[in-house]
Amino acid sequence: EVQLLESGGGLVQPGGSLRLSCAASGFTLSTHAMTWVRQAPGKGPEWVATITSSDERTYYGDSVKGRLTISRDNSKDTLHLQMNSLRVEDTAVYYCARSFRGVLINFDCWGQGTLVTVSS
Amino acid sequence: QSALTQPASVSGSPGQSITISCTGTSSDIGGYDYVSWYQQHPGKAPKLMISNVSDRPSGISNRFSGSKSGNTASLSISGLQAEDEADYYCSSYTSRTTLIFGGGTKVTVL
Repeated sequence: EVQLLESGGGLVQPGGSLRLSCAASGFTLSTHAMTWVRQAPGKGPEWVATITSSDERTYYGDSVKGRLTISRDNSKDTLHLQMNSLRVEDTAVYYCARSFRGVLINFDCWGQGTLVTVSS
Repeated sequence: QSALTQPASVSGSPGQSITISCTGTSSDIGGYDYVSWYQQHPGKAPKLMISNVSDRPSGISNRFSGSKSGNTASLSISGLQAEDEADYYCSSYTSRTTLIFGGGTKVTVL
């Protein structure tokens, strides 16, 4: 069964850092573009970042550029999101998602999400 | 970049058909056939219902269909069922190599 499992969320103070991980099972992570999507409480989803499968090009949303970094460890089938200089507005459930074909589109598998709360 | 525009809510009785619109610009919906639709039940992750404007992933009921005209995409649900009650979000690839989502539509089955 194809599955994604996020971890690493929690409470952090403004300006702090956090590293999220997403473990893939049932498929080979290296063959798919992977994406982080977040959803603030009561709001719609917001695209955060994407990393391609082959050449590991990265793409970021304007609100996180320069602060969040997406990476992948294909040997461990794990996706990461390094989050620095966190702001209150980064508070959200963070999902990792797989593109079954293409990049930045068609997310056919999602994790259950991990909650990040930025508050003093 | 502003979110795609969706109606806040749509409702229908069991067995009826409903349509949800998603309006963007020529830089996103109008420029590419990369519109997706997601269903989200409370407390759950989104689920892909339609990809590439009108393709149904394996396992998705043929009661769900997608289309596009100009800068507006649409999701139609026929034979409305109680289990269809959820939030629905559209998304589109953009000319800036980004992805934007719609604000979401709450579907209520009366």
